[in-house]
Amino acid sequence: GAVVSQHPSWVICKSGTSVKIECRSLDFQATTMFWYRQFPKQSLMLMATSNEGSKATYEQGVEKDKFLINHASLTLSTLTVTSAHPEDSSFYICSARVFGLAGFQETQYFGPGTRLLVL
Amino acid sequence: GQNIDQPTEMTATEGAIVQINCTYQTSGFNGLFWYQQHAGEAPTFLSYNVLDGLEEKGRFSSFLSRSKGYSYLLLKELQMKDSASYLCAVMDSNYQLIWGAGTKLIIKP
Repeated sequence: GAVVSQHPSWVICKSGTSVKIECRSLDFQATTMFWYRQFPKQSLMLMATSNEGSKATYEQGVEKDKFLINHASLTLSTLTVTSAHPEDSSFYICSARVFGLAGFQETQYFGPGTRLLVL
Repeated sequence: GQNIDQPTEMTATEGAIVQINCTYQTSGFNGLFWYQQHAGEAPTFLSYNVLDGLEEKGRFSSFLSRSKGYSYLLLKELQMKDSASYLCAVMDSNYQLIWGAGTKLIIKP
């Protein structure tokens, strides 16, 4: 299957600082990537859809000025958590949309996730 | 609204068979996915169904009935490593994935 990487896998930062998380598709081009957040023992929550070369589409309730998304190339999307606070501590996971034969089948392949702890 | 329902938790015995059900109500349907997520890790893709019927992949099988808005994931010959959460997700008419809350599967020796 398609490989998606994320960096860093772990980050601890002080309250008020900004953190950048990278999501890369390693062996394919991804015009669309997704950013999710998952709190302990809860389901995935879609934060935003990242489209290469255009602005991200944010889900309701997600602050676009706080969670900056840039998808400047077909293999890289970045999520920057600006002025992070302890309540932003979570597991952030990206995924890339992959199409199957003739665009019939589509699935999402996930990166390994990034654990953010804001002190 | 859109809704995906699956049991919160299930327990099964090593070597046995378990069936995890998923029912859905979505605006349109472009396929149903099952993902496995081990604790502390990202989800991994298991299966995709867009037509009615059973898809078999080794120890795992997935079934879909579009008319009933129903799917199940069948796990055979359970192993301890199968202990994980299993996420059901439906792709709606806008090609967005709608996620269930996941079913935590506990395997006992």
